[in-house]
Amino acid sequence: GQQVMQIPQYQHVQEGEDFTTYCNSSTTLSNIQWYKQRPGGHPVFLIQLVKSGEVKKQKRLTFQFGEAKKNSSLHITATQTTDVGTYFCAPPNQAGTALIFGKGTTLSVSS
Amino acid sequence: DAGITQSPRHKVTETGTPVTLRCHQTENHRYMYWYRQDPGHGLRLIHYSYGVKDTDKGEVSDGYSVSRSKTEDFLLTLESATSSQTSVYFCAISSTEFYGYTFGSGTRLTVV
Repeated sequence: GQQVMQIPQYQHVQEGEDFTTYCNSSTTLSNIQWYKQRPGGHPVFLIQLVKSGEVKKQKRLTFQFGEAKKNSSLHITATQTTDVGTYFCAPPNQAGTALIFGKGTTLSVSS
Repeated sequence: DAGITQSPRHKVTETGTPVTLRCHQTENHRYMYWYRQDPGHGLRLIHYSYGVKDTDKGEVSDGYSVSRSKTEDFLLTLESATSSQTSVYFCAISSTEFYGYTFGSGTRLTVV
């Protein structure tokens, strides 16, 4: 079935370092969303990207949608301990009925 | 998040028993979804609903059924629980088909 691949699966950084997670699809996507799940919590919607080459920023977070709309990335500048959690990308499924979620990238930050 | 609640939050049940999980929303959103989350698998779609009495299967629907008799409630039933259904179950809602799901706090189900 349709899948999205997220890399890396895990990432540990020192506080203040940058972090990037990548999401790749074999098919062209109409849009892609990003979610964050804190340890023990539930996924929380961060952003949606729709246009080819789109770049959106939320404070220290930068989201990009590839020109071919087959990949996306989330970059965090100068990580903080509050950034700890798992980040999921989520495009619509092929049927266009619901979101499918990547397996996520789990970020840990040491101070 | 305010506006969506899942019950129970935790449940332990025995193999072979039926189990029903409830998702209740006060947002009047049309779309509701059930996902399960397991280590190494991310979130996988079980069933979804696009309106009262309108439901359809997701990628891992075997062994599960759903019902939506009112806009605000979406029930997930495990017809005969198995150990492979031990998981964390999340309900999500959205006002439009794809934009910005709001997730409930989840139900941790253990089948022994």
